[in-house]
Amino acid sequence: ETGVTQTPRHLVMGMTNKKSLKCEQHLGHNAMYWYKQSAKKPLELMFVYSLEERVENNSVPSRFSPECPNSSHLFLHLHTLQPEDSALYLCASSQETVRDTQYFGPGTRLTVL
Amino acid sequence: QKEVEQNSGPLSVPEGAIASLNCTYSDRVSQSFFWYRQYSGKSPELIMSIYSNGDKEDGRFTAQLNKASQYVSLLIRDSQPSDSATYLCAVILFTGGGNKLTFGTGTQLKVEL
Repeated sequence: ETGVTQTPRHLVMGMTNKKSLKCEQHLGHNAMYWYKQSAKKPLELMFVYSLEERVENNSVPSRFSPECPNSSHLFLHLHTLQPEDSALYLCASSQETVRDTQYFGPGTRLTVL
Repeated sequence: QKEVEQNSGPLSVPEGAIASLNCTYSDRVSQSFFWYRQYSGKSPELIMSIYSNGDKEDGRFTAQLNKASQYVSLLIRDSQPSDSATYLCAVILFTGGGNKLTFGTGTQLKVEL
């Protein structure tokens, strides 16, 4: 138990659906991250929020839309996804910046049909 | 050249032996290095961080850093079957967009009875 929770843990959706992933951290951290983990590939950073402001977007397709309403919550809104978007989506948080140790949530296993 | 490179394995060691996991990175100015353990179907969990050249020990784990050779390793003494997992090396790299925690693809470790 790292103090970072994610819901849902598993999600199956069609390509025309809209869904959202939720992340919450109880560590008092000020930075939160979304990562994508696909089989045989390294963890890919998708978005970084520091003090609720997005500071990095690694050219992620617009069908992924992040939202950070406060320093404890982070959402990833999904729409018109593709089957190749099926992966484990991990949320992480750190104290202030990317230089600080990151703690991961349990992840959401996403399957796009 | 990959930014963070690891041998994917699997690395098989007998129970009680020393497991040696290696990682090389591309950015000479990197200052922060992390080892995460990831069990199958689970999220990564931090086991070691190291910032200075030399060895850092924590229980059965020893991280070794050589910045001149751009090399970081993890030694696991008295390996146990419960150590069987994928070990991810992560390095904070400086990119055009700022610092980024960059992961290797991971090395799968199997500790055999």
